[in-house]
Amino acid sequence: DAGITQSPRHKVTETGTPVTLRCHQTENHRYMYWYRQDPGHGLRLIHYSYGVKDTDKGEVSDGYSVSRSKTEDFLLTLESATSSQTSVYFCAIGTASYEQYFGPGTRLTVT
Amino acid sequence: GENVEQHPSTLSVQEGDSAVIKCTYSDSASNYFPWYKQELGKGPQLIIDIRSNVGEKKDQRIAVTLNKTAKHFSLHITETQPEDSAVYFCAAIPQGGSEKLVFGKGTKLTVNP
Repeated sequence: DAGITQSPRHKVTETGTPVTLRCHQTENHRYMYWYRQDPGHGLRLIHYSYGVKDTDKGEVSDGYSVSRSKTEDFLLTLESATSSQTSVYFCAIGTASYEQYFGPGTRLTVT
Repeated sequence: GENVEQHPSTLSVQEGDSAVIKCTYSDSASNYFPWYKQELGKGPQLIIDIRSNVGEKKDQRIAVTLNKTAKHFSLHITETQPEDSAVYFCAAIPQGGSEKLVFGKGTKLTVNP
């Protein structure tokens, strides 16, 4: 997890409220990713970024938005949280040779 | 798009035995295949990877083999230890610059002392 932090690490929120998760890196890597991990589904890509202000959708992007205004920060926003978005969220950073390194995760519970 | 299947979903071995986890992929253009280890409550950790121009790669007790013709790759752990107990994920990335990994659903490995 060196070089990647996620905040908050745990969060409980109510249905319908907005939530923002933050990923911060100190490695100066170009690529950053947001995944969610659910039992039986493994890791699924939500959104990714290939540079400042350059983002694209992943496999499960509905209900999520992202922003990257600085190389080191990648934000994931749930505009209006739903119970189906209860999950563990992982941020990852990627190198130009495809290696991806994951952060410690954020456990989000939507009640 | 790419699809990665991983087997078995659970694997239990005795300490000192070998463990093998297998993955198949669908996109013949895929060229990068990493393996991750995830311990309880932690993020996945990259433990070994292999690229399409190599058939086998070793790092101490772990090795990965790649069969491009059959489109499958395997993780081999020898002399297993209790600390090898974890969930292991394989992944593949298709050629074309998308840099998007597609993951298998994971294998829970238990090493019994």
